[in-house]
Amino acid sequence: SYELTQPLSVSVALGQTARITCGGNNIGSKNVHWYQQKPGQAPVLVIYRDSNRPSGIPERFSGSNSGNTATLTISRAQAGDEADYYCQVWDSINWVFGGGTKLTVL
Amino acid sequence: EVQLVQSGAEVKKPGESLKISCKGSGYSFTSYWIGWVRQMPGKGLEWMGIIYPGDSDTRYSPSFQGQVTISADKSISTAYLQWSSLKASDTAMYYCARRYCSSTSCPYYFDYWGQGTLVTVSS
Repeated sequence: SYELTQPLSVSVALGQTARITCGGNNIGSKNVHWYQQKPGQAPVLVIYRDSNRPSGIPERFSGSNSGNTATLTISRAQAGDEADYYCQVWDSINWVFGGGTKLTVL
Repeated sequence: EVQLVQSGAEVKKPGESLKISCKGSGYSFTSYWIGWVRQMPGKGLEWMGIIYPGDSDTRYSPSFQGQVTISADKSISTAYLQWSSLKASDTAMYYCARRYCSSTSCPYYFDYWGQGTLVTVSS
């Protein structure tokens, strides 16, 4: 079955840029979606189809996808961006989630 | 406003049965797939299965096939996830989520999520 690999944790200084990666075999050929989950809350979609933002998601959130790596980029990181982030793809049978990355804003 | 409202937390004993619910409002319930996602304590998200309430077409993750049953009652805009015999390892938060659909296609992501139902199975 298809697997997605994310770093367990990423740290970023307040106001700087955070990059969270999601690795998978030829993931660039798939549509990648990203969810943010804050403690005690349900996930929220922040990026769909690699690089599109749903309404209400700040422009600071962006995404890219090429080769074997998809990346969620959070510019001008704020304390409120601290959360777990999950990437997700469809592998023709399953909806597959990455293991999640905990973003810490220092 | 699209809303998915899930039933409340449950505490059950091993071997008991359980059915939790997810009520949709603010959109055409029969026109969008509803999926179920498990999150075990301190762990990540796992897709369990998905149902199209319009015709009850249901798909399961191979990991959950035979372990749970997904159903829907379109007359009351509600989807269900049920177990016939719970195990301690079923202890988790369970989320329902709506699969986004446009007028022409239904890509594979969830645009709205329920608040979650915590299921605790303990003797």
